[in-house]
Amino acid sequence: DAGVIQSPRHEVTEMGQEVTLRCKPISGHNSLFWYRQTMMRGLELLIYFNNNVPIDDSGMPEDRFSAKMPNASFSTLKIQPSEPRDSAVYFCASRPGAGNSNQPQHFGDGTRLSIL
Amino acid sequence: KQEVTQIPAALSVPEGENLVLNCSFTDSAIYNLQWFRQDPGKGLTSLLLIQSSQREQTSGRLNASLDKSSGRSTLYIAASQPGDSATYLCAARIGSEKLVFGKGTKLTVNP
Repeated sequence: DAGVIQSPRHEVTEMGQEVTLRCKPISGHNSLFWYRQTMMRGLELLIYFNNNVPIDDSGMPEDRFSAKMPNASFSTLKIQPSEPRDSAVYFCASRPGAGNSNQPQHFGDGTRLSIL
Repeated sequence: KQEVTQIPAALSVPEGENLVLNCSFTDSAIYNLQWFRQDPGKGLTSLLLIQSSQREQTSGRLNASLDKSSGRSTLYIAASQPGDSATYLCAARIGSEKLVFGKGTKLTVNP
């Protein structure tokens, strides 16, 4: 059974460029999460979707960040324009069930983003 | 605002030793408490999930406990092995789906 798949694994780009991170959740999982991990702040939830609908985007740091989930098998996190302080590892996770389900989240291996 | 703290930030032990990792949280109104393992360059792997009504969960050499009243959880690893070396994170689930993570304890088990 394939896990959560993220691409690219590494991204290096210059400040001001648009960055698009991609995620394919585990088939049948209907909750999807985007996280950012930095040394200073640890792991933080940016946004999550339930049945392709954004439920809570309060963790999205600025309007430069946007996320979409056009269907149950694909999601994107976009940063436009990118800034050096956006450098971090971005994780996608998915989970079966919704609401009060106590199923754990399954994480992808992350995208290591470096903005020069 | 929920805050999750893990102490120590790093721990080094000899192989075979039993050890305890600590996690504390400020708000006892949690749905569950989860322990994850993170290997370098990898995502998180769920180890144990303790529901708010439970006191502990066990999986193999791992045992996690939860004391909501004191805002504490511990992860006990028995007979540690070099393969246990990783960063261990705890997370408290609050609200509908949100997990609040600690910054982790980096464990090194020396052969």
